[in-house]
Amino acid sequence: EPEVTQTPSHQVTQMGQEVILRCVPISNHLYFYWYRQILGQKVEFLVSFYNNEISEKSEIFDDQFSVERPDGSNFTLKIRSTKLEDSAMYFCASSLGAVNQPQHFGDGTRLSIL
Amino acid sequence: EDQVTQSPEALRLQEGESSSLNCSYTVSGLRGLFWYRQDPGKGPEFLFTLYSAGEEKEKERLKATLTKKESFLHITAPKPEDSATYLCAVLGEGDMRFGAGTRLTVKP
Repeated sequence: EPEVTQTPSHQVTQMGQEVILRCVPISNHLYFYWYRQILGQKVEFLVSFYNNEISEKSEIFDDQFSVERPDGSNFTLKIRSTKLEDSAMYFCASSLGAVNQPQHFGDGTRLSIL
Repeated sequence: EDQVTQSPEALRLQEGESSSLNCSYTVSGLRGLFWYRQDPGKGPEFLFTLYSAGEEKEKERLKATLTKKESFLHITAPKPEDSATYLCAVLGEGDMRFGAGTRLTVKP
């Protein structure tokens, strides 16, 4: 069964550095998403992406964050000037069609900021 | 503001002991309610989508129902492998909102 893959599974970075989290969505899916889950807390929406542009973003997704689809298969989340509070699990998801279609998640990247 | 509340926070069942998980929500213009299963260290795994009150979906030992204010995930004769955190999420006019989940443990 097709799945969303995320790399790396664990990323350790010094505070202030930039990180890029990578995702390969399911190949025929058109909508892409990033979520984060701080340890012990709810899954939180960050951003949705469709047709090569951001379709929606949350208050969390400020100028520190950016997303890109650099080619036909990858979807990336860049976090600039990382802070301690950016430590979390970051999940990528994709859905086939309209935004209310089921979203399929990867297993996440655990980001640890030191 | 859209809100999702799940109860109970944790539930321990004996194998074969049926029960229900609750997801209460307030949302502007419901576009979909989603149930996911999450195992430790893994991403949410899609289970069901419900779009309108009265709708029901079923898969193996799980059955999801929807009213205008809440959804239930019924688990019939659970097995130890059903142990996981079950997440409810709603999509309204804004972005997807997740509940905190119900952590289910099924003892043999």
